[in-house]
Amino acid sequence: EIVMTQSPATLSVSPGERATLSCRASQSVGSNLAWYQQKPGQAPRLLIYGASTRATGIPARFSGSGSGTEFTLTISSLQSEDFAVYYCQKYNNWPPTFGQGTKVEIK
Amino acid sequence: QVQLVQSGAEVKKPGSSVKVSCKASGGTFSTYSISWVRQAPGQGLEWMGGIIPVFGSANYAQKFQGRVTITADDSTNTVYMEMSSLRSEDAAVYYCARLISPGIAVAAADYWGQGTLVTVSS
Repeated sequence: EIVMTQSPATLSVSPGERATLSCRASQSVGSNLAWYQQKPGQAPRLLIYGASTRATGIPARFSGSGSGTEFTLTISSLQSEDFAVYYCQKYNNWPPTFGQGTKVEIK
Repeated sequence: QVQLVQSGAEVKKPGSSVKVSCKASGGTFSTYSISWVRQAPGQGLEWMGGIIPVFGSANYAQKFQGRVTITADDSTNTVYMEMSSLRSEDAAVYYCARLISPGIAVAAADYWGQGTLVTVSS
């Protein structure tokens, strides 16, 4: 089973700054990678799929890149509403597994 | 607009079963996979399995094979997740989610239910 590893576990960023989150797969998943945002008490929200395609309604400050085993989610200028936990998920084959999450907190 | 509405919170005893429902509205039901994802308190997301209603058969993560049953009722646009032999570590929020592309069992999920809290306690 492919293992997804996210880093760092916690990222402290000031509002307006850039945040870069990483996700690594133990084997290639091609471009079958999604990113989700989750706030306390809420369901996850799809941000990015296909490694770099923004989901409907997602602001342009969110961007995804990478393929194979190395992926990045970049938030270009953090807004107050972006402080949350972010998960990557691979879906090239069954089962679709998640990384353990990166918490983006206010510095 | 697609909406997934889940059944309410449950409190169950160890060894019992729980059945959670997920009713879909506002979109095509039968050709999109509805999957189940759980989240233990303070923990990450765990994919359990899913079903494409028009095909009828479900896929399960190995961890849940034999203990979880996912079914779909086309007449009410509802998907069910039943878990048996509950133990304390099954206490979690259970989410249903619709995958982004029709006819595919493995994909990103773009619509999510509100979650159902299952508490397991004697």
